[in-house]
Amino acid sequence: TQLLEQSPQFLSIQEGENLTVYCNSSSVFSSLQWYRQEPGEGPVLLVTVVTGGEVKKLKRLTFQFGDARKDSSLHITAAQPGDTGLYLCAGGSNYQLIWGAGTKLIIKP
Amino acid sequence: EAGVTQFPSHSVIEKGQTVTLRCDPISGHDNLYWYRRVMGKEIKFLLHFVKESKQDESGMPNNRFLAERTGGTYSTLKVQPAELEDSGVYFCASSQEVLIEQFFGPGTRLTVL
Repeated sequence: TQLLEQSPQFLSIQEGENLTVYCNSSSVFSSLQWYRQEPGEGPVLLVTVVTGGEVKKLKRLTFQFGDARKDSSLHITAAQPGDTGLYLCAGGSNYQLIWGAGTKLIIKP
Repeated sequence: EAGVTQFPSHSVIEKGQTVTLRCDPISGHDNLYWYRRVMGKEIKFLLHFVKESKQDESGMPNNRFLAERTGGTYSTLKVQPAELEDSGVYFCASSQEVLIEQFFGPGTRLTVL
C-alpha cells in the first residue's frame, strides 16, 4: 500500500514568518500535486511537479520534488493571513492520486 | 464556465437507508473521479470514469457502493444500504486529461446515524 506522509499536521505561525510543509513516501510517484482547500469547498490545485529535482515557484510559494520522486516540499516565504487554509499533497501513481492527510495552516496577523 | 457541482451538499440518513450522490463535471471533461474523505483520514480514491466507462474502480470499498455515469455526462454514486462507516465527505472531480489538473466539486457531506 502506497502512503504519503505529510507533516506537520498543524502549524500556527505569525504573519511574516517562513514555513515548510513536507510530504514523504517510500514509493516513487510519477507526479506530485499540491492542493489548497478552504472550508466547505473542494481542493484546488496549486501546482504539479513531474521531474525529479524540479522546483516551481508561485509568488511566495516554492514547491520542490525530490530527486528520487519520493518526496516533496512546499515552502512559504513571509506568510500572510490569506495563506491560512488546508494544504494537501497528492502523488500520482497508476493513474490514481495517493493523498497526504493535509496540513492545517493558520497565519496570525 | 461552471465548475464541478455536487448534490446534495449535505445528507443525513439512518443506517440501512439508501443515498444517491450526484456529480456534474465541467462540460467537455471526459475524466470523472470520485473520492472520499473519512473524518481524520486522508482523501481516498474511489473510482475513475472515462466518458461512460469505468476505467478504474479499485478504490470502491465494497459492493454496497455503485457508481454510474450515464451518457458520459453526470455521475451518480449510490450507497445501499448505508453503514455508519460510510460517513464522510465525498468529492467528485473532473479533468480533460487523466491525472492532469483535476477540478474538484465542493463535496457532499454524508452522515450515517
